[in-house]
Amino acid sequence: AQSVSQHNHHVILSEAASLELGCNYSYGGTVNLFWYVQYPGQHLQLLLKYFSGDPLVKGIKGFEAEFIKSKFSFNLRKPSVQWSDTAEYFCAVLGGSYIPTFGRGTSLIVHP
Amino acid sequence: GAVVSQHPSRVICKSGTSVKIECRSLDFQATTMFWYRQFPKQSLMLMATSNEGSKATYEQGVEKDKFLINHASLTLSTLTVTSAHPEDSSFYICSAPSTGSTEAFFGQGTRLTVV
Repeated sequence: AQSVSQHNHHVILSEAASLELGCNYSYGGTVNLFWYVQYPGQHLQLLLKYFSGDPLVKGIKGFEAEFIKSKFSFNLRKPSVQWSDTAEYFCAVLGGSYIPTFGRGTSLIVHP
Repeated sequence: GAVVSQHPSRVICKSGTSVKIECRSLDFQATTMFWYRQFPKQSLMLMATSNEGSKATYEQGVEKDKFLINHASLTLSTLTVTSAHPEDSSFYICSAPSTGSTEAFFGQGTRLTVV
Protein backbone atom coordinates (compact mmCIF):
# COMPACT_ATOMS: atom_id res chain seq x y z
CA ALA A 1 0.00 0.00 0.00
CA GLN A 2 1.15 3.51 -0.68
CA SER A 3 1.63 6.06 2.07
CA VAL A 4 2.80 9.64 2.37
CA SER A 5 4.65 11.31 5.19
CA GLN A 6 4.96 15.03 5.70
CA HIS A 7 7.44 15.80 8.43
CA ASN A 8 6.73 19.46 9.05
CA HIS A 9 3.31 19.86 10.57
CA HIS A 10 3.55 23.52 11.39
CA VAL A 11 5.90 26.03 9.81
CA ILE A 12 6.10 29.71 10.68
CA LEU A 13 8.14 32.06 8.51
CA SER A 14 8.61 35.72 7.89
CA GLU A 15 7.97 37.19 4.49
CA ALA A 16 10.86 36.76 2.03
CA ALA A 17 12.17 33.70 3.87
CA SER A 18 12.81 30.55 1.88
CA LEU A 19 10.51 27.56 2.24
CA GLU A 20 11.06 23.85 1.99
CA LEU A 21 8.39 21.35 2.99
CA GLY A 22 9.32 17.71 3.19
CA CYS A 23 7.36 14.87 1.64
CA ASN A 24 8.33 11.22 1.56
CA TYR A 25 6.30 8.42 0.12
CA SER A 26 6.41 4.68 0.26
CA TYR A 27 5.51 2.71 -2.81
CA GLY A 28 7.69 0.41 -4.80
CA GLY A 29 6.35 1.12 -8.24
CA THR A 30 5.85 4.08 -10.51
CA VAL A 31 4.12 7.00 -8.86
CA ASN A 32 2.63 10.32 -9.77
CA LEU A 33 3.24 12.99 -7.15
CA PHE A 34 1.31 16.13 -6.32
CA TRP A 35 1.34 19.12 -4.06
CA TYR A 36 -1.96 20.77 -3.23
CA VAL A 37 -2.65 23.98 -1.35
CA GLN A 38 -5.74 24.80 0.66
CA TYR A 39 -6.17 28.43 1.59
CA PRO A 40 -8.27 29.17 4.68
CA GLY A 41 -11.89 28.35 3.99
CA GLN A 42 -11.24 27.29 0.41
CA HIS A 43 -11.00 24.06 -1.54
CA LEU A 44 -7.93 22.19 -2.67
CA GLN A 45 -5.92 23.65 -5.51
CA LEU A 46 -3.19 21.89 -7.43
CA LEU A 47 0.20 23.57 -7.04
CA LEU A 48 2.25 21.21 -9.17
CA LYS A 49 2.58 17.61 -10.22
CA TYR A 50 5.21 15.15 -11.34
CA PHE A 51 4.57 12.31 -13.74
CA SER A 52 7.88 11.68 -15.44
CA GLY A 53 10.80 13.46 -17.06
CA ASP A 54 12.62 16.37 -15.44
CA PRO A 55 12.56 15.69 -11.69
CA LEU A 56 12.45 19.40 -10.96
CA VAL A 57 8.94 20.60 -11.59
CA LYS A 58 7.71 24.14 -11.45
CA GLY A 59 4.21 25.02 -10.40
CA ILE A 60 2.07 28.04 -9.89
CA LYS A 61 2.88 31.01 -7.67
CA GLY A 62 6.61 30.43 -7.74
CA PHE A 63 6.56 26.99 -6.16
CA GLU A 64 8.74 24.12 -7.31
CA ALA A 65 9.36 20.58 -6.19
CA GLU A 66 12.10 18.08 -6.77
CA PHE A 67 11.52 14.38 -7.16
CA ILE A 68 14.41 12.33 -5.79
CA LYS A 69 13.65 8.73 -6.57
CA SER A 70 16.45 7.30 -4.44
CA LYS A 71 15.11 9.09 -1.40
CA PHE A 72 11.42 8.58 -2.21
CA SER A 73 11.03 12.29 -1.69
CA PHE A 74 9.16 15.12 -3.35
CA ASN A 75 9.96 18.26 -1.37
CA LEU A 76 8.23 21.54 -2.07
CA ARG A 77 10.25 24.75 -2.24
CA LYS A 78 9.78 28.44 -2.71
CA PRO A 79 12.70 30.89 -2.61
CA SER A 80 10.78 33.76 -1.05
CA VAL A 81 7.41 33.35 0.63
CA GLN A 82 4.69 35.94 0.86
CA TRP A 83 2.01 36.55 3.45
CA SER A 84 -0.52 35.25 0.93
CA ASP A 85 1.16 31.84 0.98
CA THR A 86 -0.34 31.22 4.42
CA ALA A 87 -2.26 28.00 3.89
CA GLU A 88 -2.32 24.25 4.39
CA TYR A 89 -0.12 22.24 2.03
CA PHE A 90 -0.73 18.62 1.17
CA CYS A 91 1.52 16.18 -0.59
CA ALA A 92 -0.23 13.33 -2.41
CA VAL A 93 0.83 10.22 -4.25
CA LEU A 94 -0.96 8.25 -6.92
CA GLY A 95 0.41 4.75 -7.30
CA GLY A 96 -0.88 1.41 -8.35
CA SER A 97 -4.25 1.76 -6.66
CA TYR A 98 -5.03 4.91 -8.67
CA ILE A 99 -6.49 6.40 -5.51
CA PRO A 100 -4.76 9.56 -4.30
CA THR A 101 -3.24 9.17 -0.85
CA PHE A 102 -2.56 12.33 1.09
CA GLY A 103 -0.02 13.27 3.66
CA ARG A 104 -1.11 14.76 6.94
CA GLY A 105 -0.56 18.28 5.68
CA THR A 106 1.65 21.17 6.72
CA SER A 107 0.24 24.36 8.09
CA LEU A 108 2.28 27.33 6.89
CA ILE A 109 1.95 30.73 8.51
CA VAL A 110 3.80 33.63 6.96
CA HIS A 111 4.17 36.76 9.03
CA PRO A 112 4.22 40.07 7.15
CA GLY B 1 -8.77 21.34 -17.67
CA ALA B 2 -11.20 18.84 -16.25
CA VAL B 3 -13.67 20.18 -13.73
CA VAL B 4 -15.41 18.48 -10.87
CA SER B 5 -18.32 20.34 -9.36
CA GLN B 6 -19.55 19.61 -5.87
CA HIS B 7 -22.80 20.89 -4.41
CA PRO B 8 -23.69 22.30 -1.96
CA SER B 9 -20.58 24.06 -0.73
CA ARG B 10 -22.04 24.56 2.72
CA VAL B 11 -24.94 22.97 4.51
CA ILE B 12 -26.28 23.21 8.02
CA CYS B 13 -28.76 20.59 9.10
CA LYS B 14 -30.50 19.46 12.24
CA SER B 15 -29.43 16.36 14.04
CA GLY B 16 -31.32 13.33 12.78
CA THR B 17 -31.91 14.60 9.27
CA SER B 18 -30.21 13.41 6.08
CA VAL B 19 -28.05 15.43 3.74
CA LYS B 20 -27.20 14.69 0.13
CA ILE B 21 -23.99 15.92 -1.48
CA GLU B 22 -23.57 15.81 -5.24
CA CYS B 23 -20.36 15.43 -7.20
CA ARG B 24 -20.38 15.96 -10.96
CA SER B 25 -17.68 15.62 -13.55
CA LEU B 26 -18.48 18.45 -15.92
CA ASP B 27 -16.50 17.72 -19.05
CA PHE B 28 -15.43 14.13 -18.74
CA GLN B 29 -16.86 10.80 -17.72
CA ALA B 30 -15.90 9.23 -14.44
CA THR B 31 -16.67 5.58 -13.84
CA THR B 32 -15.00 5.97 -10.47
CA MET B 33 -15.14 8.77 -7.95
CA PHE B 34 -13.58 9.06 -4.53
CA TRP B 35 -15.12 10.53 -1.41
CA TYR B 36 -12.86 12.01 1.25
CA ARG B 37 -13.48 13.47 4.67
CA GLN B 38 -11.33 16.12 6.25
CA PHE B 39 -11.43 16.98 9.93
CA PRO B 40 -10.13 20.36 11.05
CA LYS B 41 -6.37 20.62 10.85
CA GLN B 42 -6.11 17.09 9.51
CA SER B 43 -5.52 15.42 6.20
CA LEU B 44 -8.00 14.05 3.74
CA MET B 45 -9.05 10.55 4.62
CA LEU B 46 -10.53 8.33 1.94
CA MET B 47 -14.02 7.19 2.90
CA ALA B 48 -15.12 5.23 -0.11
CA THR B 49 -14.72 4.62 -3.80
CA SER B 50 -17.85 5.16 -5.83
CA ASN B 51 -18.29 2.89 -8.84
CA GLU B 52 -20.72 3.63 -11.64
CA GLY B 53 -23.34 0.94 -11.90
CA SER B 54 -22.18 -1.06 -8.90
CA LYS B 55 -21.78 -0.85 -5.16
CA ALA B 56 -19.34 1.52 -3.58
CA THR B 57 -16.23 0.24 -1.86
CA TYR B 58 -15.91 1.56 1.68
CA GLU B 59 -12.73 1.99 3.66
CA GLN B 60 -12.37 0.22 6.95
CA GLY B 61 -14.25 1.93 9.73
CA VAL B 62 -16.66 3.81 7.47
CA GLU B 63 -20.30 2.93 8.06
CA LYS B 64 -21.85 2.12 4.73
CA ASP B 65 -25.38 2.43 6.11
CA LYS B 66 -24.65 5.91 7.36
CA PHE B 67 -22.81 7.20 4.31
CA LEU B 68 -24.86 6.08 1.33
CA ILE B 69 -23.16 6.42 -2.02
CA ASN B 70 -24.89 6.26 -5.35
CA HIS B 71 -23.14 6.51 -8.70
CA ALA B 72 -26.04 6.42 -11.09
CA SER B 73 -24.38 7.88 -14.14
CA LEU B 74 -20.94 8.47 -15.61
CA THR B 75 -20.95 12.06 -14.45
CA LEU B 76 -22.69 12.01 -11.08
CA SER B 77 -21.99 10.48 -7.70
CA THR B 78 -23.91 11.34 -4.56
CA LEU B 79 -23.05 10.94 -0.90
CA THR B 80 -25.95 10.93 1.54
CA VAL B 81 -25.21 11.34 5.21
CA THR B 82 -28.15 9.66 6.88
CA SER B 83 -29.44 10.53 10.34
CA ALA B 84 -26.69 13.07 10.75
CA HIS B 85 -25.21 13.79 14.16
CA PRO B 86 -22.91 16.59 15.30
CA GLU B 87 -19.89 14.28 15.06
CA ASP B 88 -20.58 13.99 11.33
CA SER B 89 -19.78 17.67 10.96
CA SER B 90 -16.81 17.82 8.66
CA PHE B 91 -15.51 18.83 5.25
CA TYR B 92 -16.40 16.32 2.56
CA ILE B 93 -14.54 16.32 -0.75
CA CYS B 94 -15.12 14.30 -3.88
CA SER B 95 -12.57 13.49 -6.52
CA ALA B 96 -12.62 11.95 -9.95
CA PRO B 97 -9.62 10.48 -11.72
CA SER B 98 -8.61 11.65 -15.13
CA THR B 99 -8.74 9.41 -18.17
CA GLY B 100 -5.93 6.95 -17.61
CA SER B 101 -6.05 7.69 -13.86
CA THR B 102 -2.84 9.68 -13.95
CA GLU B 103 -4.24 12.35 -11.68
CA ALA B 104 -7.35 13.29 -9.81
CA PHE B 105 -9.55 16.34 -9.97
CA PHE B 106 -11.23 17.60 -6.85
CA GLY B 107 -14.54 19.20 -6.13
CA GLN B 108 -14.78 22.36 -4.12
CA GLY B 109 -15.78 20.46 -1.00
CA THR B 110 -18.86 20.60 1.20
CA ARG B 111 -18.75 21.98 4.70
CA LEU B 112 -21.37 20.06 6.70
CA THR B 113 -22.44 21.36 10.08
CA VAL B 114 -24.90 19.32 12.09
CA VAL B 115 -26.59 21.21 14.90
